[in-house]
Amino acid sequence: AQSVSQHNHHVILSEAASLELGCNYSYGGTVNLFWYVQYPGQHLQLLLKYFSGDPLVKGIKGFEAEFIKSKFSFNLRKPSVQWSDTAEYFCAGVSGSARQLTFGSGTQLTVLP
Amino acid sequence: GAGVSQSPSNKVTEKGKDVELRCDPISGHTALYWYRQSLGQGLEFLIYFQGNSAPDKSGLPSDRFSAERTGGSVSTLTIQRTQQEDSAVYLCASSSGWETQYFGPGTRLLVL
Repeated sequence: AQSVSQHNHHVILSEAASLELGCNYSYGGTVNLFWYVQYPGQHLQLLLKYFSGDPLVKGIKGFEAEFIKSKFSFNLRKPSVQWSDTAEYFCAGVSGSARQLTFGSGTQLTVLP
Repeated sequence: GAGVSQSPSNKVTEKGKDVELRCDPISGHTALYWYRQSLGQGLEFLIYFQGNSAPDKSGLPSDRFSAERTGGSVSTLTIQRTQQEDSAVYLCASSSGWETQYFGPGTRLLVL
């Protein structure tokens, strides 16, 4: 069965620290991967996506993610976090003929000022 | 342009009552999705509409849940005989074909 795993449930960082949130997927064949962010009190917003091509994708607000097929991973990174990055981050994927997203369990990021 | 809108933003109901949740997708988007976000289950897919095709209902948790999409635009998710475990945030998303899904603000449902 298709699945997406996020192993970090809660990450606490100080401002200016570097961030890496893990995401692993189990899909066969072609896969499209996404990172969504949910700021407190707001709706899900797309951070970045990978469909094909360059495995290093850049998104909004300085975030990037690298698709590593051999590791079934799509980790999210940011070199220097800000207090305003405090939010919940969801990795999601879709594969084959299925169009609905399968989400990971989410990672709550808290950035301390 | 306008994003996905959902109404009501909050709904409190009594156990056993029926509720209807509405979603207005982004204009021109042919695909519409319903998801549920709850503490215990995370984000779960419920149902998916694509154009005039039969909807994919594979995520609906029981036959108390149903959805329709009229005129290829607005969608209504109906929960009959609500139970306390139905309490969750119900999210709607739309997309253009196979592209990225854009989410609405959700309807927070509380069943007492």
